[in-house]
Amino acid sequence: DVKVTQSSRYLVKRTGEKVFLECVQDMDHENMFWYRQDPGLGLRLIYFSYDVKMKEKGDIPEGYSVSREKKERFSLILESASTNQTSMYLCASSPTGAGGPGGSPDTQYFGPGTRLTVL
Amino acid sequence: LAKTTQPISMDSYEGQEVNITCSHNNIATNDYITWYQQFPSQGPRFIIQGYKTKVTNEVASLFIPADRKSSTLSLPRVSLSDTAVYYCLVVPDTGRRALTFGSGTRLQVQP
Repeated sequence: DVKVTQSSRYLVKRTGEKVFLECVQDMDHENMFWYRQDPGLGLRLIYFSYDVKMKEKGDIPEGYSVSREKKERFSLILESASTNQTSMYLCASSPTGAGGPGGSPDTQYFGPGTRLTVL
Repeated sequence: LAKTTQPISMDSYEGQEVNITCSHNNIATNDYITWYQQFPSQGPRFIIQGYKTKVTNEVASLFIPADRKSSTLSLPRVSLSDTAVYYCLVVPDTGRRALTFGSGTRLQVQP
């Protein structure tokens, strides 16, 4: 079974603090993703990475950065936490399939989530 | 990415079959239809994926008509543990693309 783990289930931080959220996957997946989930807004992509040291911005990257030094680990960094970053943060990973017509998209495997509260 | 529309919520009773329909009028030739399930305080979990006609696995069936502008997730004989949010996604067949989740359908199963 694919396992995606996140460093904390619940986290409380103060405004202005630097926050690190860690994600580790054990299936040698190339792709890793960070989403945030808010009521009524669904899941929104923050950043993703398709290889070590590679990263791409998602839909809402402002206020966040990421780091991928090793294939199995993808970190999300809140440089200076703000109250509007209070949310559920979800990490996911997926392999890179053959792609192209006739192939099927690869399943994303999600971690349990980190509920971050910024006071 | 193609936008999807699905009901906000549905109610059912244990033992009934539940069908959740999703419309995706702008689906492209290389898009697949994928469904995820999410329980409270957990990440989404893949349920089923298809391109056309019918796909069945141990959890659900997915019906896709010829025009592919809609699809129906069918859950046979639901139980209380099927209470969750179900997301319909249209996903291109390129492996790296991130997923776009809408608000999903909140299914409540009553005893």
